[in-house]
Amino acid sequence: AQSVAQPEDQVNVAEGNPLTVKCTYSVSGNPYLFWYVQYPNRGLQFLLKYITGDNLVKGSYGFEAEFNKSQTSFHLKKPSALVSDSALYFCAVRGPNTGFQKLVFGTGTRLLVSP
Amino acid sequence: GAVVSQHPSRVICKSGTSVKIECRSLDFQATTMFWYRQFPKQSLMLMATSNEGSKATYEQGVEKDKFLINHASLTLSTLTVTSAHPEDSSFYICSAFQGARAWRGRYNEQFFGPGTRLTVL
Repeated sequence: AQSVAQPEDQVNVAEGNPLTVKCTYSVSGNPYLFWYVQYPNRGLQFLLKYITGDNLVKGSYGFEAEFNKSQTSFHLKKPSALVSDSALYFCAVRGPNTGFQKLVFGTGTRLLVSP
Repeated sequence: GAVVSQHPSRVICKSGTSVKIECRSLDFQATTMFWYRQFPKQSLMLMATSNEGSKATYEQGVEKDKFLINHASLTLSTLTVTSAHPEDSSFYICSAFQGARAWRGRYNEQFFGPGTRLTVL
């Protein structure tokens, strides 16, 4: 069965500093990996995905993520954090042969960017 | 493009009543729609998968008779919470999957609605 782990409930970073939100996964075969962001009382907004190709994926709002197959990780990064980046971030995985495109989500990491 | 709407955004109802939540894909046809629920400060839990014109597939532990899902067209899926109780209070989120005719080639993506906050008194 596929699973996702986000080991940090919360990440605190000062504005202007780089940020990293961690994600590790477990899946049979090559994974499809996603990052989503959720603002209070809102649905999920897509940030980026890895399906195949370059291990470094660039996404929306200046975010990027690096796929590391040997470490089964897909950490989300941004070179310079903004206060407006404060939100709840979810990593999700889907196996290549998963029926109906089902996603499995991590427990989420709350990012707090201080001014 | 690839916008998914939900209605209502917020609903408060009395215990024992039924509540219907609509999920619409506004500018694309969704072969598959998903329904999730999210408890405060928790992750999204998949409840069921619905394909247009067929019965929904429910995840283990989700009561089919409690959470009725209808996917009558390629742009509309509904979730009806029947005989709602306070423990059904949650944030319900739908997503839509486009399949082969993906919007701008965005295959393998689910597009999420803004969610519906259900409060059962």
